[in-house]
This record gives sequence, C-alpha cells and structure tokens, in this order.
Amino acid sequence: NAGVTQTPKFRILKIGQSMTLQCAQDMNHNYMYWYRQDPGMGLKLIYYSVGAGITDKGEVPNGYNVSRSTTEDFPLRLELAAPSQTSVYFCASSYSMGSRELFFGEGSRLTVL
Amino acid sequence: DQQVKQNSPSLSVQEGRISILNCDYTNSMFDYFLWYKKYPAEGPTFLISISSIKDKNEDGRFTVFLNKSAKHLSLHIVPSQPGDSAVYFCAASPQGGSEKLVFGKGTKLTVNP
Repeated sequence: NAGVTQTPKFRILKIGQSMTLQCAQDMNHNYMYWYRQDPGMGLKLIYYSVGAGITDKGEVPNGYNVSRSTTEDFPLRLELAAPSQTSVYFCASSYSMGSRELFFGEGSRLTVL
Repeated sequence: DQQVKQNSPSLSVQEGRISILNCDYTNSMFDYFLWYKKYPAEGPTFLISISSIKDKNEDGRFTVFLNKSAKHLSLHIVPSQPGDSAVYFCAASPQGGSEKLVFGKGTKLTVNP
C-alpha cells in the first residue's frame, strides 16, 4: 500500500502562475484534506472533502480550489500564485469524518517568487 | 488566537531518560486530543490519542495525560530513544469530526545518544 501520495514534492512558481498539487490515496478513504504548514506554525486546513463530488472550505481557503471526481484523488489548484502561498502542503485522508486519526502524505514544498 | 499551544519550540533529552512534551488548550469544547510525530521531509504520523472522558492513555513507551481542569495535556516518552527525535504536534478537536482538528505549532524533540 502506498497510502497517500503527493506530487510534486518540490515546485518553484513565479508570481501569477497557476499549478495543481496532486494527491491520491489507495486506502479507500472517503475523507480527504489539504493542509498547509508555514514555518514555525501548526497545520492549517485549506479544504476538505467527505466523498466524491463533495468539498468544503477549511480555515484558509482563499487562493485555492479543489475538486473530487473520484474517491482516490483530491487535487489542489493554486490560481494566481502569490508569495503568501509559499508553504509546505500536506494532503491527508481518514476512513471517516469522526476519525481524527489522519494519514498524511509526505508533503509538497511550494515556493512562490 | 491560538487554541492549541505548545510553548516549548524544542526539547533536548538524553537517551534512556524521560521526555515530557506539553500542550495547553483554550477551547473547553475540545473533547479529543491527539499527538502526531513528524520526521523531516515526511508527513505527520499519528502517535497516540485520548478522549476527554479519560485522564491517561498508554501505548508502549508513550503515555498521554490529560488534565481537563487545567486544559493541559502532556506526552511522556519513557525511555527516550534517538529514533524518537522528531517534531511532535499536539492536536485537538471538538465533537463533529476531523475537519475541526486544530494543531499546535509543534515541539522539536532531540534525543541525544
């Protein structure tokens, strides 16, 4: 089992560019999440999904979009990248919304210059 | 406004001794608490949790203590091993599920041989 797989692991963007961070899980989890972690800070929830076709905003959704067309995949789209989006992004999944034990991917480090 | 606070950014301990990591919270609605461990260049992994109806939960070398009146929890690692060197995140959530999970900033534990 690969668990939660994120790509790319590293990316440098110029201001105003757009990109998609990919996330896939093979554990058949319905619930998936995107977090960002800024240096010296805790993880902040960007978006989450309770199943295919259903997504909702977390604490810091501005500047991002998500979609969930399948159970396995939960891509995060950055539109018009800004330096404030420089961060490490973690995708996670859980088998239920009531389970607060999340399975995380290895992270994607994004730098916006 | 930080609802989950880990006031010690770092902690250094000798191998074989006890490591105590502390966490304070402000939201009295939190009913479930977790510790995650994170190695460099990896995603966080779930370590141990405790429900608010308990004051202690033990799993091998790891024990979490909860003091609800003080809104304080701690993670004890006994005996500490060099492989325990990592960043430890405290997390908490109220009833309602994992989308409400709040993370602390983390404490970097170094266990010296």
